[in-house]
Order: sequence, then structure tokens, then C-alpha cells
Amino acid sequence: KAGVTQTPRYLIKTRGQQVTLSCSPISGHRSVSWYQQTPGQGLQFLFEYFSETQRNKGNFPGRFSGRQFSNSRSEMNVSTLELGDSALYLCASSPQTGGIGNTEAFFGQGTRLTVV
Amino acid sequence: GESVGLHLPTLSVQEGDNSIINCAYSNSASDYFIWYKQESGKGPQFIIDIRSNMDKRQGQRVTVLLNKTVKHLSLQIAATQPGDSAVYFCAERFGDTDKLIFGTGTRLQVFP
Repeated sequence: KAGVTQTPRYLIKTRGQQVTLSCSPISGHRSVSWYQQTPGQGLQFLFEYFSETQRNKGNFPGRFSGRQFSNSRSEMNVSTLELGDSALYLCASSPQTGGIGNTEAFFGQGTRLTVV
Repeated sequence: GESVGLHLPTLSVQEGDNSIINCAYSNSASDYFIWYKQESGKGPQFIIDIRSNMDKRQGQRVTVLLNKTVKHLSLQIAATQPGDSAVYFCAERFGDTDKLIFGTGTRLQVFP
């Protein structure tokens, strides 16, 4: 069974540009979450999508947005890139059905974004 | 591989010893507490979780302890092996969503 796939693995962008990152969840998983990881701030929650609806959003500016498609694949977009957006962006999927009980989140390897 | 964290607390243990990694949390409303392991160049990997109404849960070579009185979570790894070297994160989960709030992480180094 294929794991969570994130593309691209590495990306270099210039300040002011915009970027789109892609995440393909494990087959059958309907929940996709995004996290930003930096040495200074650690792992921070960006947003969560379930059945094409944003269910939760972290404390990030509006430049960060995302969406989920009917096949559960998700993209996140960052507009007007700043140097501080340089980070590892991680996507996680789970078989979360919206009910009670913990379900394991499976993470991809991430996309390393460098803004210059 | 990617740099996971440059200023993480580090725990160094000898191969074969037991390791204890600690985590303090702030939100009493968390439903689950979860431990993740992140190796260099990889995403976090689920190790074990514990529901908020429990105080201990055991897995293979790992035990998680939850002390709600002092809002403290710990991960015990028995007979630590070189392959256990990684950064370990605790995380809190709320309700029926997948939103995780992560702790700062601890780097575990295992030496022979």
C-alpha cells in the first residue's frame, strides 16, 4: 500500500512568488492535514481537510490556503512568499471518519521549500 | 537529510539502556496524546497513543505514561537501540478531528 506522497520534494522560490504543493493521501483516507516545520517554531498545524471541506485552520496568515479534491488529494498554496516561509511542509492523511476515537495520522516525507 | 531542529533538548543513552522522554502539555481538554518519531529526512511516524482517561499504555518496547494532575506525558523506551535515534515529539489531539498540536521535540542519541 503506497504511503502519503508529497510533490515536489524540494523547491526553491523567490520572495514575492507563489507556490503550490501537492499531497496524495493513502488510498481510502479522507482526511488530510498540513503542517509547517521549522527549527525555530517546530511543527505547526496549518489546516485540515475532510471530504473536500476545511475542518480546521491554524494560526497562519491568509497567504496560506489549501483545498481538497474529490479523490482526497490536497494542495496547499502560499502566495507572496516571504523568507520566513522557508520550511519543511508536511502532509498527513488518516482514515478519520469523523467519529470518536483516535486514528493514526500517516505523514509524507514533506516538501522542503526554500525562499530566497 | 533535512534539519529537524537545531535547538532541541538532547537525551543521550547507551545502547541497551532504557530511555525516558518527557513532555509537558497545556490543554486539559485534549482527548488523545500521541508520540511521534521523526528520523532525518522523513516525516513523523506514529509510535503510540493514549486516551486522556487512561494513565498508562504499553506497546512493543514502549510505554506511555500520562499524569493529568501535573499535565505531564512520558515515553519510555526499553532496551534502546541505535535505530531508536531520532527526534521524538509528543502531540495532543482534540475531538474527532486530525488537528495535532505538537510539542517542541527531544533528540534521542543512542551510542554503543
